[in-house]
Amino acid sequence: NAGVMQNPRHLVRRRGQEARLRCSPMKGHSHVYWYRQLPEEGLKFMVYLQKENIIDESGMPKERFSAEFPKEGPSILRIQQVVRGDSAAYFCASSWDSPMNTEAFFGQGTRLTVV
Amino acid sequence: DAKTTQPTSMDCAEGRAANLPCNHSTISGNEYVYWYRQIHSQGPQYIIHGLKNNETNEMASLIITEDRKSSTLILPHATLRDTAVYYCIVGGTGTASKLTFGTGTRLQVTL
Repeated sequence: NAGVMQNPRHLVRRRGQEARLRCSPMKGHSHVYWYRQLPEEGLKFMVYLQKENIIDESGMPKERFSAEFPKEGPSILRIQQVVRGDSAAYFCASSWDSPMNTEAFFGQGTRLTVV
Repeated sequence: DAKTTQPTSMDCAEGRAANLPCNHSTISGNEYVYWYRQIHSQGPQYIIHGLKNNETNEMASLIITEDRKSSTLILPHATLRDTAVYYCIVGGTGTASKLTFGTGTRLQVTL
């Protein structure tokens, strides 16, 4: 059973371009979470999705950021018109659909550099 | 979610037990204590969690005080590969994966 797969591992974008980050959850997982980690800081929650639904986006910036988790395919975190401040590591986590779930499995992250 | 307080850094000799403390004095009755670690910019890795009772698994032990205001993660025989940032997180079941990471404790295991 492969773990959470994120791609690309590294992404370089010029200011104003769009960045698309992909996350394939572990097999059987229907919950996906995105986190952002700025240099020398802890991870910050961004958004929580179940298949085709956004459950909690309280950590998402109001503009330029969006996320989806379609019925088929990976979850996508999309950042439009990137700025230097968007440079960070973006981690995806997934978990089972269970009220007793208490463990999240993280991917290796996508490191976005905006130049 | 309740706030946690951890020391910024700790050292431990290889083969010795590493005891990582965490204060969570504002924890509420239904909130769990979770520990994750992050090894050199990799994705965080789940270690252990508990509610009231002490817990042990193949990686570590978790000791929670009776008043639940603090806890200690114990790595019984630390190795160099345990060098990482360790995060103590408090939250409720069902929102376990909406985790509020602090700055954690940077554990350095040395020869």
